[in-house]
Amino acid sequence: AQRVTQPEKLLSVFKGAPVELKCNYSYSGSPELFWYVQYSRQRLQLLLRHISRESIKGFTADLNKGETSFHLKKPFAQEEDSAMYYCALSRNYGGSQGNLIFGKGTKLSVKP
Amino acid sequence: GAGVSQTPSNKVTEKGKYVELRCDPISGHTALYWYRQSLGQGPEFLIYFQGTGAADDSGLPNDRFFAVRPEGSVSTLKIQRTERGDSAVYLCASRLFFGSGTQLSVL
Repeated sequence: AQRVTQPEKLLSVFKGAPVELKCNYSYSGSPELFWYVQYSRQRLQLLLRHISRESIKGFTADLNKGETSFHLKKPFAQEEDSAMYYCALSRNYGGSQGNLIFGKGTKLSVKP
Repeated sequence: GAGVSQTPSNKVTEKGKYVELRCDPISGHTALYWYRQSLGQGPEFLIYFQGTGAADDSGLPNDRFFAVRPEGSVSTLKIQRTERGDSAVYLCASRLFFGSGTQLSVL
């Protein structure tokens, strides 16, 4: 079954500390992986996609096919990073991007 | 418009009533998705349109739910005989970009 697991409901760190938000997936094939962020009272925003291999707001994520993981990392957390983070995978429809399968989300709280 | 627009932002209805939720996607995007997000959960897929046709409606929970996109742009999600369990945030996405959602409350 296709599934995305985010094991932590809540992650609390102090400002300046490293952050790692865990994401594991189950998918038979070659999925595309994403991280979305939702700040308080705002819409879901695309943060990262694994094929882009970019760093956004200091966050990076590497797809590890052996461990079926796509953990989100940031070396120094900032208070403005406090938000809900969702990991998602996309199925493919013959080369077209399919619907997203989301994890339950991790709430990141960065304390001053 | 610049982003995905969903109306209304909030809808309160009574059990058994019919509701329509509207999504105005990003201009030119042919792919449109509907998701439902319950409290404490991630969004769950409902239906996917490619142009005017529903390419995948496997996420619709039952036949009370229906969606259309007659001209390949605006889409409407329709829920008949609403139940309290239908209460959730209904999200529309244009490719990878989401609207703010409609908070549906069934009393």
